[in-house]
Amino acid sequence: ETGVTQTPRHLVMGMTNKKSLKCEQHLGHNAMYWYKQSAKKPLELMFVYSLEERVENNSVPSRFSPECPNSSHLFLHLHTLQPEDSALYLCASSLLRGYYEQYFGPGTRLTVT
Amino acid sequence: AQSVTQPDIHITVSEGASLELRCNYSYGATPYLFWYVQSPGQGLQLLLKYFSGDTLVQGIKGFEAEFKRSQSSFNLRKPSVHWSDAAEYFCAVGAGSGGGADGLTFGKGTHLIIQP
Repeated sequence: ETGVTQTPRHLVMGMTNKKSLKCEQHLGHNAMYWYKQSAKKPLELMFVYSLEERVENNSVPSRFSPECPNSSHLFLHLHTLQPEDSALYLCASSLLRGYYEQYFGPGTRLTVT
Repeated sequence: AQSVTQPDIHITVSEGASLELRCNYSYGATPYLFWYVQSPGQGLQLLLKYFSGDTLVQGIKGFEAEFKRSQSSFNLRKPSVHWSDAAEYFCAVGAGSGGGADGLTFGKGTHLIIQP
């Protein structure tokens, strides 16, 4: 595997389910990010991790819970989501946090029913 | 806070014609600027970046962009488009550590349609 991978690619879940999104980067980077991409809206930064420590949480609802066990893996745990949470969730990584270019995974298309 | 404006939601270009996609940014210091492309159902691929130095930067797939500080612009260009260039294009600005968000701030995107 190369670059940034995400699983699953598609996920349908009910509002009472608990699921997790997984991201893995094979680039030797030290910073990882979660973005949300909704229709008609710009990409929204959700979480930033640098060297496995969370450095930013852009006022994301607590029903989204990130986890970064090491610099190569990032998870987004989901529980009791709302239909408006349906979106494409993108993971990205960069060599270091800050202004360095970010490399994106293919995303997970989430549908909340 | 930084912001990015892509004034064109859709652009239609004939195959073989030249292309320019507009991007204006708002940021108090020297910005770090990026163009990404997203094909349907895919993630974002980095086309090119500007950090400093030469204001005309070359990217992949024959794209280039010019940074104009006086106009707060970073427009993307290609001399001759191919049908495979049809996609969504995003301009983004990075503030750098200590300047606020460590993620990128994106524009809303421009949807490029290629006519045969």
